[in-house]
Amino acid sequence: QKEVEQNSGPLSVPEGAIASLNCTYSDRGSQSFFWYRQYSGKSPELIMFIYSNGDKEDGRFTAQLNKASQYVSLLIRDSQPSDSATYLCAVNFGNEKLTFGTGTRLTIIP
Amino acid sequence: GAVVSQHPSWVICKSGTSVKIECRSLDFQATTMFWYRQFPKQSLMLMATSNEGSKATYEQGVEKDKFLINHASLTLSTLTVTSAHPEDSSFYICSARPGPEGEKLFFGSGTQLSVL
Repeated sequence: QKEVEQNSGPLSVPEGAIASLNCTYSDRGSQSFFWYRQYSGKSPELIMFIYSNGDKEDGRFTAQLNKASQYVSLLIRDSQPSDSATYLCAVNFGNEKLTFGTGTRLTIIP
Repeated sequence: GAVVSQHPSWVICKSGTSVKIECRSLDFQATTMFWYRQFPKQSLMLMATSNEGSKATYEQGVEKDKFLINHASLTLSTLTVTSAHPEDSSFYICSARPGPEGEKLFFGSGTQLSVL
């Protein structure tokens, strides 16, 4: 059974601080990893993707991948109230589908 | 990013009626599209993979006769919920990828279905 695990939260972070979201997955052979943001009542929006071990930065977002430990994380620097949302981790397990975690609800406290 | 259009955004229908949801890739061709369902405070659950020109592939536990999928062209897939019942009320979301397998997936805006 290929699984993606996330802490459901809620995770509360003060405005301006760093939010750290974590995700683990079950298949060591997985190749591609994605972070989606979903506001309540809306569909997911792709914010980061990463394929190689290490860090990938895009603006205030940094994705970190460690294939040996089978985890992928998302850091949000200088957190803003507009970052409050549910963040979904998704993994491609080598087929055409994406498997999603249950999501972590993030709240940025002004 | 690529644009996936989904229509309608929300629909309210009576129990026993059928509802059709359209998903279009606006600026790319998609031989494969995916249909997800999401209940409140839960994650996305893949219902089926829609393949252009062939039958859809359904996930375990999804009734193919109830959720009819047609992928008539490289830019359009439709999901029809037949004989809808209140337990079918959910947020339905389609998605597609402009690139090869393993690449980024883009989502439509979703359809909130409420069955009375």
